[in-house]
Amino acid sequence: DTAVSQTPKYLVTQMGNDKSIKCEQNLGHDTMYWYKQDSKKFLKIMFSYNNKELIINETVPNRFSPKSPDKAHLNLHINSLELGDSAVYFCASSHRHEQYFGPGTRLTVT
Amino acid sequence: RKEVEQDPGPFNVPEGATVAFNCTYSNSASQSFFWYRQDCRKEPKLLMSVYSSGNEDGRFTAQLNRASQYISLLIRDSKLSDSATYLCVVNMGLDSSYKLIFGSGTRLLVRP
Repeated sequence: DTAVSQTPKYLVTQMGNDKSIKCEQNLGHDTMYWYKQDSKKFLKIMFSYNNKELIINETVPNRFSPKSPDKAHLNLHINSLELGDSAVYFCASSHRHEQYFGPGTRLTVT
Repeated sequence: RKEVEQDPGPFNVPEGATVAFNCTYSNSASQSFFWYRQDCRKEPKLLMSVYSSGNEDGRFTAQLNRASQYISLLIRDSKLSDSATYLCVVNMGLDSSYKLIFGSGTRLLVRP
């Protein structure tokens, strides 16, 4: 059973397009996150939701909009994609300190 | 100054070697500390938490020095399967929240 799943696994798209990445966890955790890992392998937190409420919102362009329809799902919508958005995006969920990551979505903007 | 700094490596060691990774963090108010492991093109996974008194899990030993804002990970008797990137992680969340700041990772290659 997959604990944290993300779709799609790979996403190749052109500049200016709008795309969404979906995330689901079946662990019953209250808190979910989105991270971005760039080409230099830095893993940086973008957003965190607790029970569908936004609790962390790092300095991320407002082209990025997270949406949490329920506590098991946290989706990420990106408008007007730019070349610099190319990265691996990881969703995670946690109960207390241990974070469980999804397999990642490799986004390539051409 | 980066919030969490690590030597990027790579550390290239033979099987059976002992290897140590170091990490420093900038925020003295940081609450808790962890080591995560990330295999190539995979997601990070928790390896172990780091406690002030030091803690051991099999071949892995983690140490924390709050005064120096320094964290270490020691791996004894390295195995080929230990080859991965080791991420030093600091929790800078307030109260009971968790805002994890990841270092850029130290790459370990264990050769036969």
